[in-house]
Amino acid sequence: GAGVSQSPSNKVTEKGKDVELRCDPISGHTALYWYRQSLGQGLEFLIYFQGNSAPDKSGLPSDRFSAERTGGSVSTLTIQRTQQEDSAVYLCASSSEAATQYFGPGTRLLVL
Amino acid sequence: ELKVEQNPLFLSMQEGKNYTIYCNYSTTSDRLYWYRQDPGKSLESLFVLLSNGAVKQEGRLMASLDTKARLSTLHITAAVHDLSATYFCAVLDRGSTLGRLYFGRGTQLTVWP
Repeated sequence: GAGVSQSPSNKVTEKGKDVELRCDPISGHTALYWYRQSLGQGLEFLIYFQGNSAPDKSGLPSDRFSAERTGGSVSTLTIQRTQQEDSAVYLCASSSEAATQYFGPGTRLLVL
Repeated sequence: ELKVEQNPLFLSMQEGKNYTIYCNYSTTSDRLYWYRQDPGKSLESLFVLLSNGAVKQEGRLMASLDTKARLSTLHITAAVHDLSATYFCAVLDRGSTLGRLYFGRGTQLTVWP
């Protein structure tokens, strides 16, 4: 079956611009996660959605970052007024009650 | 906050040799994962370990969990080049079946002939 998909696969933007990253989870998975992977920081948790519950936003690094999940499926991560330190690979994962998180291919973001 | 430490961070080994990667974590958890990442690729789930003493094996890789010592190991037997990748352990908050994972920094494994 289809895995987690993310778009775009690569994004180059100028400092100060806003970007939107999209994640399509595995069908039927109730939980969706965003992580960021960068050379200096390893893999960092950003945000987690579970069903209709309020999301766990505890990993968002600043108020420039936000995410939403519509209809319990697709999620969009938005970064406003991008900075060079936002350059990283943004990974989305989803899981069912079995709890193993399955990761998408990631979006490679470069802020110039 | 839960801390996860892996070592070594870099591992270069000859084909046919054995080695062990270690993963220590700072607070109680009963759910630990091992992932593999190839360069430029995403993370692939290898193992999930759910209880003290759990052991899982797949091919040349074997993972184990000691929840009392807060330690997991990933043992490589008779390494082959195809095992070259970065391996991450990740730990879930105690009492959670779903939730954020805390990752180690990864072990970059290179297997040479």
